[in-house]
Amino acid sequence: DVKVTQSSRYLVKRTGEKVFLECVQDMDHENMFWYRQDPGLGLRLIYFSYDVKMKEKGDIPEGYSVSREKKERFSLILESASTNQTSMYLCASSLVGSTQHFGDGTRLSIL
Amino acid sequence: GIQVEQSPPDLILQEGANSTLRCNFSDSVNNLQWFHQNPWGQLINLFYIPSGTKQNGRLSATTVATERYSLLYISSSQTTDSGVYFCAVSGTYKYIFGTGTRLKVLA
Repeated sequence: DVKVTQSSRYLVKRTGEKVFLECVQDMDHENMFWYRQDPGLGLRLIYFSYDVKMKEKGDIPEGYSVSREKKERFSLILESASTNQTSMYLCASSLVGSTQHFGDGTRLSIL
Repeated sequence: GIQVEQSPPDLILQEGANSTLRCNFSDSVNNLQWFHQNPWGQLINLFYIPSGTKQNGRLSATTVATERYSLLYISSSQTTDSGVYFCAVSGTYKYIFGTGTRLKVLA
């Protein structure tokens, strides 16, 4: 079975902090994705990566950056956290043109 | 971009009842998935179904790509089926999610 592991289930940070969310997959998938989920808005794509060191902006990239130095790991970075970035963050991976598999999510609170 | 609409937004069922959830999309797609998000927030992949029909136990799904819709059928519902059901579509890499159908199954 595919395993997508997110580093934290719950995280609390302060405004202005630099925040790192880590995601690791164990199935050699080319594609990796970061989403945020907010009530009433569903899942919205922040960034995705289709290869090592490659990244593309999703629908809401402002205030975020990403890093993919190794195929199995995709990091989401909040450069200077703000309260409107309090959300559920979900990482996914997939082969090209195939099923997305999700991690358990990180509930991030910015105080 | 592609628009995805799911209906109904909310659904309450008695245990044992059957239901049909619908996903409409505005453009041709290469990928379509159905997910169940449980009360703990975990997204469980149900079907990868860009076209055709698939079945897995009490669940089945049908996608009619030419008419731009997909249906998820839940038969003999159980309380553990409660949660939010999402449809997600993509042309290439980028998936667009619908806003989901929130299902509550009563014992």
